[in-house]
Amino acid sequence: NAGVTQTPKFQVLKTGQSMTLQCAQDMNHEYMSWYRQDPGMGLRLIHYSVGAGITDQGEVPNGYNVSRSTTEDFPLRLLSAAPSQTSVYFCASSWGAGGYTFGSGTRLTVV
Amino acid sequence: ELKVEQNPLFLSMQEGKNYTIYCNYSTTSDRLYWYRQDPGKSLESLFVLLSNGAVKQEGRLMASLDTKARLSTLHITAAVHDLSATYFCAQDSNYQLIWGAGTKLIIKP
Repeated sequence: NAGVTQTPKFQVLKTGQSMTLQCAQDMNHEYMSWYRQDPGMGLRLIHYSVGAGITDQGEVPNGYNVSRSTTEDFPLRLLSAAPSQTSVYFCASSWGAGGYTFGSGTRLTVV
Repeated sequence: ELKVEQNPLFLSMQEGKNYTIYCNYSTTSDRLYWYRQDPGKSLESLFVLLSNGAVKQEGRLMASLDTKARLSTLHITAAVHDLSATYFCAQDSNYQLIWGAGTKLIIKP
């Protein structure tokens, strides 16, 4: 049982490039979400999904896109990378009241 | 504004001592989580608190929830070095987690 799998673990982008961070879960969880973590801060919600075909914005959605075509996958797209998007990104999934399971994270640097 | 405030943000303590981390939250949602994060690692779930008066214990850690005061506490008993980490509380508001800034805990021998 893999839980929540994120790829890649590390990525360096040039300003203006686009990329997709992958997130997959094998627990049949309805709820999935993306967070970013900046130094000295708690996590901030970027986008979330309450089920396949349903997505919504979180606290810091600008510059990011998501889709949820299947229950298992919830990719995060950076449309045109900026240095301000340098961060550690975490994907999480949940079935409800049982808490959230987090992936191992993607450390992204935009130069 | 949805807000979660943790204090202290930094705590250095000696092994064997007791201490408490406080987490105040601003909304009426009563699902509160505690996570542990080691440097460079992901978030590890410690406790899920779902109702007023909930108390959960795991080893030297005990978490409680007072929904009337909108306060959760994480109590550390007889701290050991292995508990050194950053601890976060997070409140669940309609499946959107609102996070505290984290408490960096250093336990010295």
